[in-house]
Amino acid sequence: SQTIHQWPATLVQPVGSPLSLECTVEGTSNPNLYWYRQAAGRGLQLLFYSVGIGQISSEVPQNLSASRPQDRQFILSSKKLLLSDSGFYLCAWSWRNTGELFFGEGSRLTVL
Amino acid sequence: EDQVTQSPEALRLQEGESSSLNCSYTVSGLRGLFWYRQDPGKGPEFLFTLYSAGEEKEKERLKATLTKKESFLHITAPKPEDSATYLCAVSRTGNQFYFGTGTSLTVIP
Repeated sequence: SQTIHQWPATLVQPVGSPLSLECTVEGTSNPNLYWYRQAAGRGLQLLFYSVGIGQISSEVPQNLSASRPQDRQFILSSKKLLLSDSGFYLCAWSWRNTGELFFGEGSRLTVL
Repeated sequence: EDQVTQSPEALRLQEGESSSLNCSYTVSGLRGLFWYRQDPGKGPEFLFTLYSAGEEKEKERLKATLTKKESFLHITAPKPEDSATYLCAVSRTGNQFYFGTGTSLTVIP
């Protein structure tokens, strides 16, 4: 069976500090990978998706970036966090071009 | 522009009181419509995929239906453990999924 792991689960960071969230998928090969952000009381906003190693598509221009160094690893980064980066970040995967999305447990980021 | 709108934003039901949640969408070339359940502080849990108008899917007390412009999630005789936020999403390309803001359901014993 397939599993998705996301970490850290919770982090509190000062404004201007860097960020690294990691996500790995087990039990499948060549998945599509996604990063979403969910602000309080709002829907899920698609940030990045990837269809393969080194292939990243950005949905929302901002100070975040994503990388896919290995087939089943997806990393969300920032060099300098803003207050507006606070939120609940969710990693997800899907089989190629067939939906459905399967989500990790999420990472709650608070920027102070 | 692809859009997904869910209503109502919040719904309170007595245990056993059936109701429906709505998801309306505007997307050309729909590849699929998806329903998820999200508990507080957790990632969304996949419930259903619907691909074409007229399709229906059922799981326990939940039944999802699809028309050309909207989808309904029917909840029959809900229980307190059905309390959660229910999210609807659409996909046009198969690689990108766009979510509504969800319906927060509370079932009162």
